[in-house]
Amino acid sequence: SQQGEEDPQALSIQEGENATMNCSYKTSINNLQWYRQNSGRGLVHLILIRSNEREKHSGRLRVTLDTSKKSSSLLITASRAADTASYFCATGTNDYKLSFGAGTTVTVRA
Amino acid sequence: DTEVTQTPKHLVMGMTNKKSLKCEQHMGHRAMYWYKQKAKKPPELMFVYSYEKLSINESVPSRFSPECPNSSLLNLHLHALQPEDSALYLCASSLNLQEGLDEQYFGPGTRLTVT
Repeated sequence: SQQGEEDPQALSIQEGENATMNCSYKTSINNLQWYRQNSGRGLVHLILIRSNEREKHSGRLRVTLDTSKKSSSLLITASRAADTASYFCATGTNDYKLSFGAGTTVTVRA
Repeated sequence: DTEVTQTPKHLVMGMTNKKSLKCEQHMGHRAMYWYKQKAKKPPELMFVYSYEKLSINESVPSRFSPECPNSSLLNLHLHALQPEDSALYLCASSLNLQEGLDEQYFGPGTRLTVT
């Protein structure tokens, strides 16, 4: 079942610009994860933030989590052409299932 | 080795055929998953295995039959599929099956077309 809603659905930016996408969810979570998927390929895990964390960094990625608003954001700084992909948030809850959001398609223009 | 492999990469099958998808990981992970993904949609969970036992079946039709022969292998047997079953089938693994779930490692998927 799909718990997360992502915004925007699609994003087009110039190389070097930052990309921000948001994820909202409905129920209490243990963690929230972000994945990247290049066209027609498997998903790659980017970052996991636990419910007691507010911010996490990994390279050019910055993730925030606001459990009071049930929302998260993913920021990609200094984007590159290789960042062109679909990005999914996924929530981990107590039912042993990972629920994926609808995804944001990011296009980085050279 | 942090890779999950899937074979075949592409599969075209008729509605009366029987075929199998295979997934393998050598990371020592004890939880393995099958997902189905339609174009421009998020992955949908189908099955979860934990320590080689089926833990979750998301009410998947019986024409899909999973099998976990050992801790490194996961199969998905297909029989009498429908054209609407055409999709990308993704296998994933994680260290354990636990509440909240840790990161999952995905294979590249099998692109299935049912004619």
